[in-house]
Amino acid sequence: SAVISQKPSRDICQRGTSLTIQCQVDSQVTMMFWYRQQPGQSLTLIATANQGSEATYESGFVIDKFPISRPNLTFSTLTVSNMSPEDSSIYLCSAQRGQAFGETQYFGPGTRLLVL
Amino acid sequence: GQNIDQPTEMTATEGAIVQINCTYQTSGFNGLFWYQQHAGEAPTFLSYNVLDGLEEKGRFSSFLSRSKGYSYLLLKELQMKDSASYLCAVRGLQGGKLIFGQGTELSVKP
Repeated sequence: SAVISQKPSRDICQRGTSLTIQCQVDSQVTMMFWYRQQPGQSLTLIATANQGSEATYESGFVIDKFPISRPNLTFSTLTVSNMSPEDSSIYLCSAQRGQAFGETQYFGPGTRLLVL
Repeated sequence: GQNIDQPTEMTATEGAIVQINCTYQTSGFNGLFWYQQHAGEAPTFLSYNVLDGLEEKGRFSSFLSRSKGYSYLLLKELQMKDSASYLCAVRGLQGGKLIFGQGTELSVKP
């Protein structure tokens, strides 16, 4: 398994500001992902964080709003830009070691964001 | 399109057996995962099925029928700590990403 940590664990932010969430994996992984989970709902994939190149975004998510970095095989950041109350959610980082179809994705503890 | 359906919530009694169903329609299929998520915590991996049939792992078993686009998670000898949300997720054709169902909130009562 992979041990994943996220910082901050929670934050309260004012609308119009930006927040950067950090994700650290305890070992090198091939793939990293960012999800959003609204209260009481399931996980929605925001993007795949690609090492050394631009992230691959899912429909409905754009780079200007959710810029992502992945400078190496153990670390990634997600920025939530120009926040509004609709961005209040839990943001989860996940990782998997390889690209085989049976590879398990492991999740970080999440960052709970409240935008006022 | 992509669609994964699960019941929203279920209730069961401690010591009993419960089956949580998941049906899916996706543009590709490279396996189905079940995750458990306790309130306020990260999802944790339970099982992976890619071939038809039953995979047993202790008190938990997972079944897959690819022709029917159907899976279930079977929990035996329920314990209070099994109260959680159970997420069904399908890996499609594109890379490693998972498509999640809405999750089933299971409440185990004494």
